[in-house]
Amino acid sequence: IQMTQSPSSLSASVGDRLTITCRASHDISDHLAWFQQKPGKAPKSLIYGASRLQSGVPAKFSGSGSGTDFTLTISSLQPEDFATYYCLQYDSYPFTFGPGTKVDIK
Amino acid sequence: EAQLVESGGNLVQPGGSLRLSCAASGFTFSSFEMNWVRQAPGKGLEWLSYITSSGSTAYYADSVKGRFTMSRDNAKNLLYLQMNSLRAEDTAVYYCSKGYAGTVWGQGTLVTVSS
Repeated sequence: IQMTQSPSSLSASVGDRLTITCRASHDISDHLAWFQQKPGKAPKSLIYGASRLQSGVPAKFSGSGSGTDFTLTISSLQPEDFATYYCLQYDSYPFTFGPGTKVDIK
Repeated sequence: EAQLVESGGNLVQPGGSLRLSCAASGFTFSSFEMNWVRQAPGKGLEWLSYITSSGSTAYYADSVKGRFTMSRDNAKNLLYLQMNSLRAEDTAVYYCSKGYAGTVWGQGTLVTVSS
């Protein structure tokens, strides 16, 4: 299953509402996760099951979608949110990540 | 709190072998499937392999199938990745993660394949 993300990068301002899209080449039900990664750090789980917030993750992060189209939304961008975001499908093997979306400061 | 700590990364020559370990704590390791994921310098995340909670079945990405073997020791709360026939393109930071959805990750261990 191929995963695509859009946009590949974007510049945003503090306080902006941000939406990142992930698309699967085949139906993956809700078997999709989102991760945040900062430079030199391990990825951090944000969302699993397409819309379930990982424990300890702020509610400004939300996920939606099922089947082939998914979105990650950050309601009000803060300085600590500037990072690269990846989606992962875990519906069928081999699991596959999206290519990532880099979010930097405008 | 669930925690994963990888170790075993090193500089190795092309064609060589290396075994990575991932020590788990803070959760019932034997109840969870596990994954290995890697990230080449400046690149995105690449899923490598998955193993069932019992260790009876593992799945691999085509890029490592036949060269890498994932295993686990539930009595010791340890996950392993045996890497053989290493190539320059295997140079990366290697992470272990917990569960299908990768809800917990280790800090990673660096593998460099170079002569």
